[in-house]
Amino acid sequence: GAVVSQHPSRVICKSGTSVKIECRSLDFQATTMFWYRQFPKQSLMLMATSNEGSKATYEQGVEKDKFLINHASLTLSTLTVTSAHPEDSSFYICSARSSGGNEQFFGPGTRLTVL
Amino acid sequence: QQQVKQSPQSLIVQKGGISIINCAYENTAFDYFPWYQQFPGKGPALLIAIRPDVSEKKEGRFTISFNKSAKQFSLHIMDSQPGDSATYFCADDKIIFGKGTRLHILP
Repeated sequence: GAVVSQHPSRVICKSGTSVKIECRSLDFQATTMFWYRQFPKQSLMLMATSNEGSKATYEQGVEKDKFLINHASLTLSTLTVTSAHPEDSSFYICSARSSGGNEQFFGPGTRLTVL
Repeated sequence: QQQVKQSPQSLIVQKGGISIINCAYENTAFDYFPWYQQFPGKGPALLIAIRPDVSEKKEGRFTISFNKSAKQFSLHIMDSQPGDSATYFCADDKIIFGKGTRLHILP
């Protein structure tokens, strides 16, 4: 299957700083990318959907000014957590889907810890 | 967001037994019914998926059954192995996940 990478895999930052997470589709063009957040022993919660070249669509309750999403190319989407706080500590997972496809390919996740 | 309801929340099965996880959905417009497997600290991976024009799909030890009239689909793991111990999620039409089922296979 197709491969999606995320970088970094793990990040620790101080409260108030910003953190950028990259999501790349390595061997296919991802017209749509999704960003999820997963707290321990819970399900994946969809944060936003982004289509290449357009603004992301955020789910209800997700602050778009806090979680900045950029999908500037068909192989790269970034999620920036701005002014991070300890409650933002979570496992962030991206997925990618090609045009016309049903299957999502998931990245390995990024563990964010905000001190 | 919850458009799919999974059961049970957790499941313990003896090695060699059959593991069964169920998912109920609401939106009859869905045309794709996936099951994902996730190991601790990893992203989920598609295990098996079905379209509503068939009632069953089998891939190795994994079978997905679809009941359109009941708006349910289920995952059956035959000859369950300790390596199958993971969390399993169904999803609606691709992107909204159920709450998950933690499966533990006893050796």
